[in-house]
Amino acid sequence: GQQLNQSPQSMFIQEGEDVSMNCTSSSIFNTWLWYKQDPGEGPVLLIALYKAGELTSNGRLTAQFGITRKDSFLNISASIPSDVGIYFCAGLLSGSARQLTFGSGTQLTVLP
Amino acid sequence: DGGITQSPKYLFRKEGQNVTLSCEQNLNHDAMYWYRQDPGQGLRLIYYSQIVNDFQKGDIAEGYSVSREKKESFPLTVTSAQKNPTAFYLCASSMVQETQYFGPGTRLLVL
Repeated sequence: GQQLNQSPQSMFIQEGEDVSMNCTSSSIFNTWLWYKQDPGEGPVLLIALYKAGELTSNGRLTAQFGITRKDSFLNISASIPSDVGIYFCAGLLSGSARQLTFGSGTQLTVLP
Repeated sequence: DGGITQSPKYLFRKEGQNVTLSCEQNLNHDAMYWYRQDPGQGLRLIYYSQIVNDFQKGDIAEGYSVSREKKESFPLTVTSAQKNPTAFYLCASSMVQETQYFGPGTRLLVL
């Protein structure tokens, strides 16, 4: 199955720093989703984007749906220790029964 | 509380044994999915079902089987044909063609 190109693969940052990660695809999507996965747990939905160019915030998190519909980014501002985890992007194409295509994840480590 | 439950949290399999992972949802979602996650990797789709009594193979269906007899339940059987079953298994559900929500996962280990 198709995979999204998600980068970076891993990040080590100091507490209080801002973080940015992104996903790109050769195909267009109708919806972009960002999930966070804590160790040993299932992914939890952070932000859903439904329209090209859309910019959506959820607390310290901001995500954008690229204008070409082939990319999305996620920013985390003023990182804290509980931001540690794996962040996944996912694209959803209407009309596709399989629905989601996932990125390979960004492992975020926040150093005190 | 509405949500997705998976059981058990940890499961051990002996050589040549079939094991079944449970997934239940009370969100009234039509579609359900099974994913496999290996360390440091993303999610790979095993099987999915959009409606009761119907399911489709995903990218890595070999060595797995599923059933969908009830809307709320989508159990996954890891058969002895799956030679490398050690992984973290995630179940998800959604309304058809809408956002997927995940369960807490089952970690399968081989003895």
